[in-house]
Amino acid sequence: GAGVSQTPSNKVTEKGKYVELRCDPISGHTALYWYRQSLGQGPEFLIYFQGTGAADDSGLPNDRFFAVRPEGSVSTLKIQRTERGDSAVYLCASSLTGGQPQHFGDGTRLSIL
Amino acid sequence: AQSVTQLGSHVSVSEGALVLLRCNYSSSVPPYLFWYVQYPNQGLQLLLKYTSAATLVKGINGFEAEFKKSETSFHLTKPSAHMSDAAEYFCAVRITSGTYKYIFGTGTRLKVLA
Repeated sequence: GAGVSQTPSNKVTEKGKYVELRCDPISGHTALYWYRQSLGQGPEFLIYFQGTGAADDSGLPNDRFFAVRPEGSVSTLKIQRTERGDSAVYLCASSLTGGQPQHFGDGTRLSIL
Repeated sequence: AQSVTQLGSHVSVSEGALVLLRCNYSSSVPPYLFWYVQYPNQGLQLLLKYTSAATLVKGINGFEAEFKKSETSFHLTKPSAHMSDAAEYFCAVRITSGTYKYIFGTGTRLKVLA
């Protein structure tokens, strides 16, 4: 079956621009997670959704970052006024419910010039 | 606060040799611990998980890990390395109160020498 799908796979944009990163979880998975992985580092937790609601957004670094999951399936991570320090691979994962094993997508590599 | 520390950012072993990747955790409550593998340009894949059912956990691809409370460790081992094991390995702990947030270590890159 289909795994977690993230689009685009690569995104290059200029400093100050707005970007949206999309995550399609495995069908039926109610929990969805976003992580940021900088070069040479492990994934850093950003936000966790259970259904449509953000159950834990304590990892969002500042108010330029926002994520939604309006119908409890697809999620979009939105970054406003991008900065060069936002350059990283953004990973999405889903699980059947919270606490079940996570399945990761291949990530979106974001480069801010 | 719960956390994990991976000792050694790079490990090299010869093909057929023992693989040992180290992970120590910090937790005031019984932790849920995980090992993930990441191949280049791919997401993470779960190797194995510890959820208190048994201290020796067997995972995929011949890997296993032993939970040692006295040493606060959860080291990953494989008796005989294969070239295809070359990848980056991450240890992670799942926060156990009020959320399902995961905290990952900084990773260990495994190189397998022919």
